[in-house]
Amino acid sequence: EAQLAESGGGLVQPGGSLRLSCTASGFNFADYAMHWVRQLPGKGLEWVAGINWKSGFTGYAESVTGRFTISRDNVKNSLYLQMNSLTPDDTALYYCAKDPAASEEYFFDSWGQGTLVTVSS
Amino acid sequence: DIQMTQSPHTLSASVGDRVTITCRASQSVNKWLAWYQQKPGQAPRLLIYEASTLKNGVSSKFSGSGSGTEFTLTISSLQPDDFATYYCQQYKSYSYTFGQGTKLEI
Repeated sequence: EAQLAESGGGLVQPGGSLRLSCTASGFNFADYAMHWVRQLPGKGLEWVAGINWKSGFTGYAESVTGRFTISRDNVKNSLYLQMNSLTPDDTALYYCAKDPAASEEYFFDSWGQGTLVTVSS
Repeated sequence: DIQMTQSPHTLSASVGDRVTITCRASQSVNKWLAWYQQKPGQAPRLLIYEASTLKNGVSSKFSGSGSGTEFTLTISSLQPDDFATYYCQQYKSYSYTFGQGTKLEI
């Protein structure tokens, strides 16, 4: 069974940066596309970014394009999200999520427990 | 972007009931629709993909139907563990949008 564990969240000031990490186990990480999905406080879900199995293709939500960068290390079974120029609108619980395919299907068959990012002065 | 609208926002039901949640897309997503269950303090859990395909290990009490712009999730014989929030998500096109959720409460 796939296990995903996020880390790196915290309190950051507007304009600041944060790097989220996700460590995967229980499946062959290198064989699957991966994503970050966020949940705004008390609200719904928003896909943030995705990366295919070989890091050959990445995609971003319009709201984070140019500020966030998704990457992966298949040797370390890890997924990352570098977040720059953060604003209060980025405050959310960030989930690492597994795609069911190597090239993105863009739905999510396993999720981590999330890491909370709070952007506030 | 494709907008996903779920109804109702809140659904009150009793143990043993059969309930249906509706998800409508602002344009056709063919069969590229998933349903998730989320309980308080937990991550979402995939139930159904391709509108009607049950994920391995998910109870057959959950069923999905529909195509194009209108979809339904039906849950039969409600048990206390089923009371949660349910989300639909289209994955036909960018930006892979979710519905706003339907809270199923006792």
